[in-house]
Amino acid sequence: NAGVMQNPRHLVRRRGQEARLRCSPMKGHSHVYWYRQLPEEGLKFMVYLQKENIIDESGMPKERFSAEFPKEGPSILRIQQVVRGDSAAYFCASSPDRSSGYTFGSGTRLTVV
Amino acid sequence: SQQGEEDPQALSIQEGENATMNCSYKTSINNLQWYRQNSGRGLVHLILIRSNEREKHSGRLRVTLDTSKKSSSLLITASRAADTASYFCATDKNQAGTALIFGKGTTLSVSS
Repeated sequence: NAGVMQNPRHLVRRRGQEARLRCSPMKGHSHVYWYRQLPEEGLKFMVYLQKENIIDESGMPKERFSAEFPKEGPSILRIQQVVRGDSAAYFCASSPDRSSGYTFGSGTRLTVV
Repeated sequence: SQQGEEDPQALSIQEGENATMNCSYKTSINNLQWYRQNSGRGLVHLILIRSNEREKHSGRLRVTLDTSKKSSSLLITASRAADTASYFCATDKNQAGTALIFGKGTTLSVSS
């Protein structure tokens, strides 16, 4: 069991480009969560998904950010027209149900230049 | 919004000493969890304590929960240099369809 797989590990984008971050949850986990972390800070919740459904997107900026978790394939966090303020580490986690502990991926470090 | 707040922000101790970190939260919870993050890595789940539990142990870790005070503590006994990391508490609000909310963490440094 490979755990939660995130790719890429590092992503550099120029301002105005699109960033696509991928997350494959642990086998058997149907709940996926995305968090953002700035240096020296805690994790800020972004979005909670189950297969094909967005359960809670209250932490997602209203514009430029979107997330999906299709029936087949990984969950995708998409950031359109990136700005310097989007530079951060983005972590994905999964769980078998919402009351269990989460398993985190190693994160994607996005740098916008 | 930030649900949990850890205290202290930073803690430096010597190997062999005990480390205690505290977490306070605001709303009623279903459970409270503690995670560890080594620099530049993802978070690792340490322990989960449910709202009807008062204390839980796992190896050198001891977690307490006081729902009347809305607080929890994480005790690491006989600390090692390898325990150097950031420690976060996370709360699961007693509300369907919500995800864990994390505090800002306590940075623990254990020197040998």
